[in-house]
Amino acid sequence: DQQVKQNSPSLSVQEGRISILNCDYTNSMFDYFLWYKKYPAEGPTFLISISSIKDKNEDGRFTVFLNKSAKHLSLHIVPSQPGDSAVYFCAARWTGTASKLTFGTGTRLQVTL
Amino acid sequence: GAVVSQHPSWVICKSGTSVKIECRSLDFQATTMFWYRQFPKQSLMLMATSNEGSKATYEQGVEKDKFLINHASLTLSTLTVTSAHPEDSSFYICSAGKRATGNQPQHFGDGTRLSIL
Repeated sequence: DQQVKQNSPSLSVQEGRISILNCDYTNSMFDYFLWYKKYPAEGPTFLISISSIKDKNEDGRFTVFLNKSAKHLSLHIVPSQPGDSAVYFCAARWTGTASKLTFGTGTRLQVTL
Repeated sequence: GAVVSQHPSWVICKSGTSVKIECRSLDFQATTMFWYRQFPKQSLMLMATSNEGSKATYEQGVEKDKFLINHASLTLSTLTVTSAHPEDSSFYICSAGKRATGNQPQHFGDGTRLSIL
């Protein structure tokens, strides 16, 4: 049972444009969400997070939006840069599980010149 | 800089060998560390939660006798894949949070690619 889903396995965006990565979840107990960036043969790197009490969090070029009623979150990257090309995972947790994360399946972002 | 160090980064060994992977928190104490496994083009699947000074908590379907976890200190957790077989070949990643509770992101090691011949 995949509780966190990223339905787009890949995304290609032109440099300078906006990248939008989507994530859906089914467990209403999740109260904290994170986005990680991952290169091959490396561990994930934390990008940005959002608590369920908020609907938006922004950090530089990265903005995460949370729609609790739809159980949907998205990561916006603007402007996209070639160095952003990687696999992006969304992850979710709830406070009852002591920081245990449930990951989505990942979206491979390719930023083209 | 890296806050979680994982070693080795790559292991190739024969079937039947036991392999130990180390995960260290570099500048903080981690009472809890997590071990994940990732198959090619798939998500990270949590295998177990490593608790300092006590037994690890394994996720459903993970064999605790196969994947031995030891968390002997606040900065070191080890995962030993015992009597490894080709189906154990995978990418193993550990993580740790600077605080056991609260909204703090976990920091991940760079992973260990295990290949069993």
